[in-house]
Amino acid sequence: GNSVTQMEGPVTLSEEAFLTINCTYTATGYPSLFWYVQYPGEGLQLLLKATKADDKGSNKGFEATYRKETTSFHLEKGSVQVSDSAVYFCALSPPGGGATNKLIFGTGTLLAVQP
Amino acid sequence: KAGVTQTPRYLIKTRGQQVTLSCSPISGHRSVSWYQQTPGQGLQFLFEYFSETQRNKGNFPGRFSGRQFSNSRSEMNVSTLELGDSALYLCASSLLQGGYNEQFFGPGTRLTVL
Repeated sequence: GNSVTQMEGPVTLSEEAFLTINCTYTATGYPSLFWYVQYPGEGLQLLLKATKADDKGSNKGFEATYRKETTSFHLEKGSVQVSDSAVYFCALSPPGGGATNKLIFGTGTLLAVQP
Repeated sequence: KAGVTQTPRYLIKTRGQQVTLSCSPISGHRSVSWYQQTPGQGLQFLFEYFSETQRNKGNFPGRFSGRQFSNSRSEMNVSTLELGDSALYLCASSLLQGGYNEQFFGPGTRLTVL
């Protein structure tokens, strides 16, 4: 079946440090891939997405590249800020998902950035 | 443009009761999906609606049900509440169906079952 595995948290970094949050997926075919962010007390916000292999999604300094050969979609940011502290979710939309908006989420990774 | 709104934001119920949660999508959006978020199980898909029809359903018992109205607003209902139903219930709306479409999430309804 379709599933997403992301690294356990929490991840604690100092401001301006480099961030990587690993995400791998299992799917038959080529899903669309997403990163969502959840700030305390809020719903999820789409951070970036990629819909086909080798696509790079980017937003607000965050990047992730859809790697078919390693079935991965790792999230990276060159210099994190305290305001980036949140929970990050990797998600996929199943292949052939033209008839559904269903998302399958990873367990989430808590990022805490210290000044 | 107003975002997705969910009401109420917080609810406290006791076991055996039933509850109805409401979701108003972004104006013009016709697709609404519901998710349950718990510390143990994470985010799990409940169901989705498009043009008043349920298009997909997750692996939840029949106590969980939903519907969508002609104005795209959606409600979900949980009957005979159990302690394990305590969760944050999130609603997401999208203009169309199709996994590549961006979904916009509401702030959620926090349900506590005592």
